Amino acid sequence: GAGVSQSPSNKVTEKGKDVELRCDPISGHTALYWYRQSLGQGLEFLIYFQGNSAPDKSGLPSDRFSAERTGGSVSTLTIQRTQQEDSAVYLCASKPRTGELFFGEGSRLTVL
Amino acid sequence: DAKTTQPNSMESNEEEPVHLPCNHSTISGTDYIHWYRQLPSQGPEYVIHGLTSNVNNRMASLAIAEDRKSSTLILHRATLRDAAVYYCILSLYGGSQGNLIFGKGTKLSVKP
Repeated sequence: GAGVSQSPSNKVTEKGKDVELRCDPISGHTALYWYRQSLGQGLEFLIYFQGNSAPDKSGLPSDRFSAERTGGSVSTLTIQRTQQEDSAVYLCASKPRTGELFFGEGSRLTVL
Repeated sequence: DAKTTQPNSMESNEEEPVHLPCNHSTISGTDYIHWYRQLPSQGPEYVIHGLTSNVNNRMASLAIAEDRKSSTLILHRATLRDAAVYYCILSLYGGSQGNLIFGKGTKLSVKP
């Protein structure tokens, strides 16, 4: 498809396990964003990639969270030693150099 | 980062106009004003953006105050499908630089 693709759509894990969430942005989009949305809350910025520049990691809540973007395309958000408060929908968005954000459907993470 | 302030919730009747306000008193001269909306169980989608002049598109109109410290998203005839959370955000240079910070938005309810 031509949109932003995220996987898995749903992930249930046990507390203390590591999880990886994947984002396939729209081809040619230079910027990629990760946001987190807890139930009933707004979007919390996590990390932002722009081209080959160093990512803006200012929104990552702890050192258990990390993200990488390989080849300027696919991105993986990794959460180590998951906690129950990590339960949320993780949204990825990509953006051309000038223009709007295009969001994926999100990955719903549940930590038991 | 320049921030925005929006009411937590608003109600409208179907087929009536809706005016969604946003305050951004610390906006800088190079910040664009963007609006996104998030339908239930979906990722946010772009609605409209502007810099200084009022803007119209097929979805909505954006009225920007002369001093740019506030703006209003106008839905000319609300439908039940317009029930969503509406986010007003600011971006530097139209979003080509820097991250995009979402607040909690305004939850719009539309009554039949």
